[in-house]
Amino acid sequence: GAVVSQHPSRVICKSGTSVKIECRSLDFQATTMFWYRQFPKKSLMLMATSNEGSKATYEQGVEKDKFLINHASLTLSTLTVTSAHPEDSSFYICSATFVGANQPQHFGDGTRLSIL
Amino acid sequence: GEDVEQSLFLSVREGDSSVINCTYTDSSSTYLYWYKQEPGAGLQLLTYIFSNMDMKQDQRLTVLLNKKDKHLSLRIADTQTGDSAIYFCAESDSSNTGKLIFGQGTTLQVKP
Repeated sequence: GAVVSQHPSRVICKSGTSVKIECRSLDFQATTMFWYRQFPKKSLMLMATSNEGSKATYEQGVEKDKFLINHASLTLSTLTVTSAHPEDSSFYICSATFVGANQPQHFGDGTRLSIL
Repeated sequence: GEDVEQSLFLSVREGDSSVINCTYTDSSSTYLYWYKQEPGAGLQLLTYIFSNMDMKQDQRLTVLLNKKDKHLSLRIADTQTGDSAIYFCAESDSSNTGKLIFGQGTTLQVKP
């Protein structure tokens, strides 16, 4: 149980393109989803916390107009990297949990984003 | 602020036991977690321990928690080459938002 599906797994696109990444909880309802960015050989950097039906809470230094997050249902959150540039190239990972149910975060398999 | 520290690298021989250590600062954390990350993949939840427990065992994995010293360890018995990965320790954030505070990750290298 507790499967989180993240799509796409890999994206290569030109500079200036907007890219949408989906995160779905397949067998549980997620009140909260988290979006992370991971640089090579580094730990996870939390970008934002996404709560179903409300605006995302962004961590300090993360541009909310650059990284648009939508959490329209208890099973789906999306991250859109708008007007992507080469410096946005990274590994993006989502996780999902049901806050209040003492449930751990369950992670997707990540999306490798490469901007040319 | 809250902080989680891990050593960066551990190398063991196949069949030996591996012990990965972690220290944390927030004594109010309810749960402490161990995640495994293989190359190019997301994080896989290995196990977690409630803060009022001292030990939890699950097959080859043993988690020890020393609350007084704020020290958490993960022991992998009979380590296999498939255990080679990065292991992250994490504590639950005190804000009750579901956030986790992650360590830097320990790269486990298993030599045949």
